[in-house]
Amino acid sequence: ETGVTQTPRHLVMGMTNKKSLKCEQHLGHNAMYWYKQSAKKPLELMFVYNFKEQTENNSVPSRFSPECPNSSHLFLHLHTLQPEDSALYLCASSQDRGEGYGYTFGSGTRLTVV
Amino acid sequence: QQPVQSPQAVILREGEDAVINCSSSKALYSVHWYRQKHGEAPVFLMILLKGGEQKGHEKISASFNEKKQQSSLYLTASQLSYSGTYFCGTVLLQGAQKLVFGQGTRLTINP
Repeated sequence: ETGVTQTPRHLVMGMTNKKSLKCEQHLGHNAMYWYKQSAKKPLELMFVYNFKEQTENNSVPSRFSPECPNSSHLFLHLHTLQPEDSALYLCASSQDRGEGYGYTFGSGTRLTVV
Repeated sequence: QQPVQSPQAVILREGEDAVINCSSSKALYSVHWYRQKHGEAPVFLMILLKGGEQKGHEKISASFNEKKQQSSLYLTASQLSYSGTYFCGTVLLQGAQKLVFGQGTRLTINP
């Protein structure tokens, strides 16, 4: 496979559930990102990882917990979410610090919290 | 810190031109442009770095005026395939990995 792959594509979870989103990139990039896209809102940066190290946490609630075991994989662990957390969660990757390079996005996980 | 895009929506007939603007209240290091079709991932179009260069990609080009902290995306002789939502993203500092996106401009191309 090539590009950025996200699983699952759709997820419905209750507010007391624990679930994880997975992102895998096959591009040899060193930086990976989580973005949240809500209806009628811009893409919101959540977390940034560079060479497996977290370099940015954009004031994200602790019910979202990222994990980056290596430069190719990124997870977003979810627990005790709220209905307002329902959104499209997009993973992206870029080469190094992204200077001069664009981001490659995955197709996203459509999350519904009930 | 979020850039502001204008207009919010544009409706064109095939073959017409469009300009989408992106403005920041802060000095910029780079500007990215992406297109997202409904139900799909955003796709990278181009990046403009500090220096005011203009770039082109087929009939889609962009400029970056660093003095005004503005970028514009130009779509010439639009095609049906250009329909989608266009996002600009801005980076304030060299080396920073905080790409912040504007609210998007929805472009509809009609036959």
